[in-house]
Amino acid sequence: GNSVTQMEGPVTLSEEAFLTINCTYTATGYPSLFWYVQYPGEGLQLLLKATKADDKGSNKGFEATYRKETTSFHLEKGSVQVSDSAVYFCALPDNTDKLIFGTGTRLQVFP
Amino acid sequence: DGGITQSPKYLFRKEGQNVTLSCEQNLNHDAMYWYRQDPGQGLRLIYYSQIVNDFQKGDIAEGYSVSREKKESFPLTVTSAQKNPTAFYLCASSRTSGNSYEQYFGPGTRLTVT
Repeated sequence: GNSVTQMEGPVTLSEEAFLTINCTYTATGYPSLFWYVQYPGEGLQLLLKATKADDKGSNKGFEATYRKETTSFHLEKGSVQVSDSAVYFCALPDNTDKLIFGTGTRLQVFP
Repeated sequence: DGGITQSPKYLFRKEGQNVTLSCEQNLNHDAMYWYRQDPGQGLRLIYYSQIVNDFQKGDIAEGYSVSREKKESFPLTVTSAQKNPTAFYLCASSRTSGNSYEQYFGPGTRLTVT
C-alpha cells in the first residue's frame, strides 16, 4: 500500500536560514500530497498541497514540488523565522479516504 | 466560520471512569476521524466514519468507542478498558468526493487520567 517517510528531527536552525525537510513516498498512481504543520498545543493545519505530478504547492513562504521521478515532496523555505518552530507532517491518501501521515519532523528556529 | 470544534481543551479523569470527547463540524463533510497523539509521536488512527451510522476501527481502536448519529458529530468515548488513556486527541473531517482527501483538524483535547 501507499506509504510516506520523512526525515527525523529535530531540525535546528538559526533565523533566516534555509530549510529543507525531506519526504519520500511510495504510492499506486499519483495521489495528492500534503504538508501539515502543528504548532505547540494545537491541532494540525494544512500548510500546502499538490494534486498532481510536477505541481508546486506554496503557502507562507513554504514550497514543495511533487516529483514523480524521485517520489519526493520535500518542504523548503528560503528564510525561516522563530514563528516557524513547529512539527511538520508529510501525508498522502491510502486507497480509501484515509490519510497516511509521516512521523513528523520538529523544527526549532533560534533568534 | 466553518470549522471543527473539540471540547473541552483539557480534561482530567480518575482511572476507571469512562470519558467522552466531543467533536463537531459545520463543514458539511461526510467523513470524520479520531487520532491519538502521544508526546513526540506522530498520529495514530483510532476510528473513522465515512457516513452517518457507520464507522470503522483504525489502528488502535481497543478501549475506545464512537458513534455517528449525526453528520456533524462524532464523539469518542475512552473507556476504562483503555490501558494508557493519557494523550492528546485530535478529531478531523474531510469530503469523500473528489480525490483530494484533504483533512481539516480540530484544536484537540488533552486528556489526563490519574
